[in-house]
Amino acid sequence: AQSVSQHNHHVILSEAASLELGCNYSYGGTVNLFWYVQYPGQHLQLLLKYFSGDPLVKGIKGFEAEFIKSKFSFNLRKPSVQWSDTAEYFCAVKSGGYNKLIFGAGTRLAVHP
Amino acid sequence: DGGITQSPKYLFRKEGQNVTLSCEQNLNHDAMYWYRQDPGQGLRLIYYSQIVNDFQKGDIAEGYSVSREKKESFPLTVTSAQKNPTAFYLCASSPQREAGGELFFGEGSRLTVL
Repeated sequence: AQSVSQHNHHVILSEAASLELGCNYSYGGTVNLFWYVQYPGQHLQLLLKYFSGDPLVKGIKGFEAEFIKSKFSFNLRKPSVQWSDTAEYFCAVKSGGYNKLIFGAGTRLAVHP
Repeated sequence: DGGITQSPKYLFRKEGQNVTLSCEQNLNHDAMYWYRQDPGQGLRLIYYSQIVNDFQKGDIAEGYSVSREKKESFPLTVTSAQKNPTAFYLCASSPQREAGGELFFGEGSRLTVL
C-alpha cells in the first residue's frame, strides 16, 4: 500500500532559524506531491504542490520544496521561520487516476519569538 | 464566498447513537471526500465520491456510511458500529477533471463520544 512518512513529529525553532521538514513516499510511479498547512483553529490549506517539471517548487509565505525522485522525497524548507509559521504541516501524495490523497502523520512546528 | 461548510463544528454523542455530519460545497466540484484526523496519525480517508449517486470506501470505512444525492452535499453518518468515533472529521472537495488533485477542505467537525 502507498504510504507517506514524515520523519519529525514535533519541531521547535526560534524565529529566523531555518526549517526543513522531511517527507518520503512509497509509490514508485508518477506522483503529484503536496504540502498542506493547518494553522491553529483554521482549516487545512495548500502550501505548495508538485505536478511535473522543475523539481524545486515555490509556495506561499516563502516556503519551498524539492522533489528528489531517486530518494522518493519531497522535503519542505524555509530559510527563516517566523512565529506565524507555528502550525501543523502535512505532506501528501496522489497517484493513480483519482484525486485521492494519502497523507503523512503531520509535523507540529512551534516557533518561539 | 465559495467554500466548504461543515456542521456542526462540535458534537457530543452517547455511545450507541448514530450521528450525521453535514458537508456542503458551493464550488461546483464533482468529487468530495471525508477524512478523519487523529493526533499523530495524520488524515485517513473514510469515503470519497467522484460523482453524484456514486461513492467508494476509503481506507477506514468500517462503521461509517455516506450518501451523495446532490452534487453539493456529502453527509457522513458515524454509526454505533464505529469502535472509536471520537475524532476530528474533515470534508474536502476537488474538481474531478483537474489533473493535479488539489483538495479544498472545510473547517472540520469535532465529534466526542461520551
